[in-house]
Amino acid sequence: DQQVKQNSPSLSVQEGRISILNCDYTNSMFDYFLWYKKYPAEGPTFLISISSIKDKNEDGRFTVFLNKSAKHLSLHIVPSQPGDSAVYFCAASAEAGGSYIPTFGRGTSLIVHP
Amino acid sequence: GAGVSQSPSNKVTEKGKDVELRCDPISGHTALYWYRQSLGQGLEFLIYFQGNSAPDKSGLPSDRFSAERTGGSVSTLTIQRTQQEDSAVYLCASSEGGARGYTFGSGTRLTVV
Repeated sequence: DQQVKQNSPSLSVQEGRISILNCDYTNSMFDYFLWYKKYPAEGPTFLISISSIKDKNEDGRFTVFLNKSAKHLSLHIVPSQPGDSAVYFCAASAEAGGSYIPTFGRGTSLIVHP
Repeated sequence: GAGVSQSPSNKVTEKGKDVELRCDPISGHTALYWYRQSLGQGLEFLIYFQGNSAPDKSGLPSDRFSAERTGGSVSTLTIQRTQQEDSAVYLCASSEGGARGYTFGSGTRLTVV
């Protein structure tokens, strides 16, 4: 039973447009959420995170939105660039419960076309 | 070192053989995690070490899998009597503590033939 779901395995976007990657979770104990980006043959790299006390966190072209009532978060990339083409993983952890082990989704492969 | 180092980067082994995968975390990082990514799957948690505490082994898929962390630094993941379903990329990550700001290595791609 997947606790973190990324229902879109892939997404294709034109350069300059907005990319929206979605993530749903089922465990209401999750209180910290992270996005990681992975290029082929490399390990995932941390991109952005959000605590459950917030509903938005922004870092340059990347913004993460959290809707706790819907147990949904999304990553917005604007404007998208070809170098953003990678697999994006959503992850969640229940830090208040003392668990620092994030649960990951299956990832969404983003392709940004020039 | 500057990052998390994993070796080997690739390993091909025959079914039934034992393999050892090594992870060298960032110096000073007290937390160390092992994950694996099978084809088309997300990152599956395997084991978590935090300082001198007993490791959280709740993610290990079978008793053929074991891991140790010597001196609070280098970790070795051992898979005994490998099976084809063990084929995956094994990823190690370390952090100063907790899930925030942890850094992954490039992984070991294990292929069991």
